[in-house]
Amino acid sequence: GQQLNQSPQSMFIQEGEDVSMNCTSSSIFNTWLWYKQDPGEGPVLLIALYKAGELTSNGRLTAQFGITRKDSFLNISASIPSDVGIYFCAGRSGGSNYKLTFGKGTLLTVNP
Amino acid sequence: EAGVTQFPSHSVIEKGQTVTLRCDPISGHDNLYWYRRVMGKEIKFLLHFVKESKQDESGMPNNRFLAERTGGTYSTLKVQPAELEDSGVYFCASSQQEEGTIYFGEGSWLTVV
Repeated sequence: GQQLNQSPQSMFIQEGEDVSMNCTSSSIFNTWLWYKQDPGEGPVLLIALYKAGELTSNGRLTAQFGITRKDSFLNISASIPSDVGIYFCAGRSGGSNYKLTFGKGTLLTVNP
Repeated sequence: EAGVTQFPSHSVIEKGQTVTLRCDPISGHDNLYWYRRVMGKEIKFLLHFVKESKQDESGMPNNRFLAERTGGTYSTLKVQPAELEDSGVYFCASSQQEEGTIYFGEGSWLTVV
């Protein structure tokens, strides 16, 4: 089946630093999504990307849909303590296939 | 507007017992999904309902898992009999359209001992 390779697996940074994480796949996806999961909560959608090459921002978050449609990255600028959590990338093939394929997640810890 | 709600939030059962998880999607959302995250692994798709019909159940692990959505409203996921490897977080999600934004519930944390 389809797989997403998400890296890094975990990050430990200081408050104020920028952070970057990415996902790659051997398969093409028509949609890339980035979710954040806080402890004890479900994943919450941060950014959705629908077009190859698309660069989208949401506050301090910026994500890009790779031109090959096989990768995406998420950047967080000027991190703050509440950025702590697990970040997941997810891809959707489209057509009649609406299920999401998730990466294993990036655990982000921000040291105040 | 209420989000996707799941019950129970946590469940600890013995191997061989039965557990039923319930999901109430966002009102008006025809599409309902079940996903699962086993410890240390990625979140994996289980199945997709459109109203009361199973659109895609390709992710269901085996026949110990049974999902229903009678009447096209809430859904249940039954595990019978539960095995140790079934432990994990079971997420329900819903969307208004198949290509629309998918909203996740907080998850039902299942521990099989």
